[in-house]
Order: sequence, then structure tokens, then C-alpha cells
Amino acid sequence: AQSVAQPEDQVNVAEGNPLTVKCTYSVSGNPYLFWYVQYPNRGLQFLLKYITGDNLVKGSYGFEAEFNKSQTSFHLKKPSALVSDSALYFCAVRAGGSYIPTFGRGTSLIVHP
Amino acid sequence: GAGVSQSPRYKVAKRGQDVALRCDPISGHVSLFWYQQALGQGPEFLTYFQNEAQLDKSGLPSDRFFAERPEGSVSTLKIQRTQQEDSAVYLCASSQTPVQETQYFGPGTRLLVL
Repeated sequence: AQSVAQPEDQVNVAEGNPLTVKCTYSVSGNPYLFWYVQYPNRGLQFLLKYITGDNLVKGSYGFEAEFNKSQTSFHLKKPSALVSDSALYFCAVRAGGSYIPTFGRGTSLIVHP
Repeated sequence: GAGVSQSPRYKVAKRGQDVALRCDPISGHVSLFWYQQALGQGPEFLTYFQNEAQLDKSGLPSDRFFAERPEGSVSTLKIQRTQQEDSAVYLCASSQTPVQETQYFGPGTRLLVL
């Protein structure tokens, strides 16, 4: 079985400050890890993914995530938050041999001006 | 190019009514997924198609749910005798190949069963 935990329902950060949205996972074998963002009344938009290689992954809109195998984590980060980053963020994992991802419950990011 | 589209965007149904939700994936995408997203939750897998073949339907919550993709492009998710617990957003996603990791999501259909 595979699972994802996003321990924070909501993250608040001031514009210009760094942000972190946490994600831990459990999967058999090598993980494929993803971050998606969801704006109101919109579908999920792909941000970045880790499949193999460098543990630091860079994605869209200045976001990056660090894969940490020992801590089974894949936290999403951005050096300087924008108000327009305010949205719902989902972490997802799937095993290398599976087509089906498991999503976390989501973290609401609120960036204050 | 065009992304994944879904219709209708909103659907209100009376309990017991049948509904059909449509997904138009990105042209040429082999894989197609349906998810159910309850309020305040992440998407939960319902079913997966590779071309016209339904390879996995383990996430369908009951035999009232049925999905098809007869020509390997457009897909329809049908819910028979809708119940209030079926109220959710139904998301469709497609990917270019079976092993391609990135899924592209449609805007979803918000279903409300009264």
C-alpha cells in the first residue's frame, strides 16, 4: 500500500518570505513523487516531480522540492512567496511499477501581502 | 494546445437520477484516469484506461458507477441511481503514454445530489 501525509491543513506566510509545504510518504520500492497546485474551481496543475537523480527538483513558478529518502519526505519550497501562490497544494506518490498515484489531503497555502 | 476538458462543469441531480459525465483528454494521450474529490480531500482514484481498455476499476465505489472509453479517446463516467454521498468533484486526467509520469487534469465536474 502507498500513502501520503500532508501534516498541515494550512500554511500562512508573508509575501517575500520563504515557504515550505510538508509531505511525507510511504511506498514499496522506489517512489515517484509529485506536487500539484489547485486554484478555486480549477483542476490540478502539475508543478514538479521526482523520479530519479538529483534530490533537489526544480519546477514551475519558482517552486522546488527536496527528496529525502531517509526521512521519506518530499517538502515543497519556494525562496520568496507571492500572493498569487495562494492555493491548495497536493503531494502525490506512486510506486514505480504502478500507474495509480495516491494523493494527500492537500495543504492550503495563504500568502499575506 | 487544448487541454483536458470536462462537461458539464456543474450538475445538480435528484437522488435516484442517473448522470453521465464526459471527459475529452488531450489528443493522442493513451492513458486516462478518473478521480473523485470530496470536499476538503485529495483526489481518490476511481478507474484507469489505456486506450479503450479499462485496466483498473478497483476504485469505483459501487456497481452504480460505470466508465467507458469505447474509441480510446473520449470517456464517460456514468453514475446510476445517484445518492447524496456521490456529491463530489469528479476529475479526469490524461497522460501521453502509460509510463509517462505527468498527468494533465481537467477542470472537473462538480456533482451535487439533492
